[in-house]
Amino acid sequence: AQKITQTQPGMFVQEKEAVTLDCTYDTSDPSYGLFWYKQPSSGEMIFLIYQGSYDQQNATEGRYSLNFQKARKSANLVISASQLGDSAMYFCAMRESSGTYKYIFGTGTRLKVLA
Amino acid sequence: GAVVSQHPSRVICKSGTSVKIECRSLDFQATTMFWYRQFPKQSLMLMATSNEGSKATYEQGVEKDKFLINHASLTLSTLTVTSAHPEDSSFYICSAQRERGAEETQYFGPGTRLLVL
Repeated sequence: AQKITQTQPGMFVQEKEAVTLDCTYDTSDPSYGLFWYKQPSSGEMIFLIYQGSYDQQNATEGRYSLNFQKARKSANLVISASQLGDSAMYFCAMRESSGTYKYIFGTGTRLKVLA
Repeated sequence: GAVVSQHPSRVICKSGTSVKIECRSLDFQATTMFWYRQFPKQSLMLMATSNEGSKATYEQGVEKDKFLINHASLTLSTLTVTSAHPEDSSFYICSAQRERGAEETQYFGPGTRLLVL
């Protein structure tokens, strides 16, 4: 069965510093997609970054980058130059490769950026 | 960008009443929409997959007669919580699938907070 694990329930980071949020996954499918979403207190799910299982390079989107280590089955999110507005819940998700395209979410990491 | 709306954003109802939540894809057609439920400080749990013109596929443990899903068009899916009870109070989020090449990203609505008294 597919599974997503986020082992950090909460993280603190100083403003302007970089922070890494961990995510490991388990799947037997050779084709899959990995996503990171940000959920502020308002509740909306904000898409941050995507990594396909066949992508050769790590995905980057502005201050977000995904450290994809396929052999280790990890897809850690790196946020550079943290800002106060980055304080939120962060969810890692994996998309099944079957036609249903279902997402499986991790338990989330609450990030608090300190001034 | 892809925009998904939900209505209402917040609803309070009495126990025993039914509540309908709408999910709309505003600028794209979504053949598949998903309904999630999120309890406080927990992750999103998929409730069902909604395909336009066909019956929804429910996840294990989700009562299909309790949570009625109708995907009547390529831009609208509705979730009706029938005979709501306090334990149904939760944050309900929908998402819509828009195929963009190989990405197949889901776009999420802003969510609906349901409180059943």
